This record gives sequence, structure tokens and C-alpha cells, in this order.
Amino acid sequence: AQSVTQLGSHVSVSEGALVLLRCNYSSSVPPYLFWYVQYPNQGLQLLLKYTSAATLVKGINGFEAEFKKSETSFHLTKPSAHMSDAAEYFCAVSLNTNAGKSTFGDGTTLTVKP
Amino acid sequence: DAMVIQNPRYQVTQFGKPVTLSCSQTLNHNVMYWYQQKSSQAPKLLFHYYDKDFNNEADTPDNFQSRRPNTSFCFLDIRSPGLGDAAMYLCATRDLRSTDTQYFGPGTRLTVL
Repeated sequence: AQSVTQLGSHVSVSEGALVLLRCNYSSSVPPYLFWYVQYPNQGLQLLLKYTSAATLVKGINGFEAEFKKSETSFHLTKPSAHMSDAAEYFCAVSLNTNAGKSTFGDGTTLTVKP
Repeated sequence: DAMVIQNPRYQVTQFGKPVTLSCSQTLNHNVMYWYQQKSSQAPKLLFHYYDKDFNNEADTPDNFQSRRPNTSFCFLDIRSPGLGDAAMYLCATRDLRSTDTQYFGPGTRLTVL
């Protein structure tokens, strides 16, 4: 079984400030981990993924995440927030078994203040 | 070019009137998934097709059915929509032979009047 917990349903930062969105996972086998972004009335866009290669993963739009096995975490960061980063962010875990089904966290709404 | 296409993007139906949502893919992926996402919630898997094999999640209501006539297309049928079925419906694909990533379509926003 696998699960994901996103700490903080709402995060608010000022433009130019550090963005930190938290994700902890539970999995009985080494997982694949993903961060997706969703804008209103749109589908999920992949930001980045961890699939057992480098533990520090760089994604699109300046985001990156670090896989920490000891902490079972995969937190998403961006050094400097931009107004266009305001959106809903989902962390997800999947395995290479069980038809690759993904389990999503409840999401974090990021607000960026001018 | 769009790889996972969903039609229509917005669908309005009446309470109890059957509705079909469409998903197509140009990726030749062997797995297709349907998720339901209600407002401010995480996507919830309804079912998936692994090639021609249909796999229902245990808590998916009988009101929801799916068809996959070929590799490229997958349909979501809601036999008698209720007000509680209003949501965003997301289609995704993955090829278990070659990729670790699900590719999502833009979604269909369903409104039930």
C-alpha cells in the first residue's frame, strides 16, 4: 500500500520569497514520486519526478525537490516565487506494479502575494 | 502537440440524463486511467484499462462505466448523473513497458443541472 501526506493545505508567500511545499510518503517498496501543478479548470502538469536516480531532482519553472529516504519526504522548493506560480500543487506516489496507479496527496494551494 | 485529448472540455447534463466523456491518446500507451476530481480535492481513481483488461476500483459507483474500443480511445459513461457527480474528470495514460510517468489530459468539467 502507498500513501501521501501534504502538510499545509494552503501556503502563502510573497513574490520573490522561497517556496516550500511539503510532502511525505509511505510505501512498502521503493516508490516513484511526482509533483504536479494544476491551474483552474485545467489538467495536471508534471513539474518533476523521482524514479530512483539522483535524489535532487530539477523540474520545470525553476522548481526542484529532494528525495530523502530517511525522512520519507519529497518536499518541493523554488528559490524565488513568481506570481504565475499561484496554483494547486499535488504530490503523488506510484509503483511500477499494480498497473502503475498513482495515489495523490490532498493538494496544497499556493498563493503568491505582490 | 496534444498527446492526451479529452472532449468535450466542458459538459453540461441534466440530472439522470446519461452522458459520455471521451479520451484519446496519440502515445500508444497500454494503460488508460479515469480520475474524478471534486472541487479542492485530490484526483480519485475510478478505474483503469490495462490493454483490454478493465479494472474497477472497489469504491467506484456502479453508475460509472467505461469502454476502451481500441488502444487510442477510452470513454467514461455515467448512466444516471446525480448532483454529486459534478466534478472534473481527468484521463491519464501510461505505458508500463517503457515509462514511469502518467500523462494527463486537460480534463472535462461536468456540470449536472
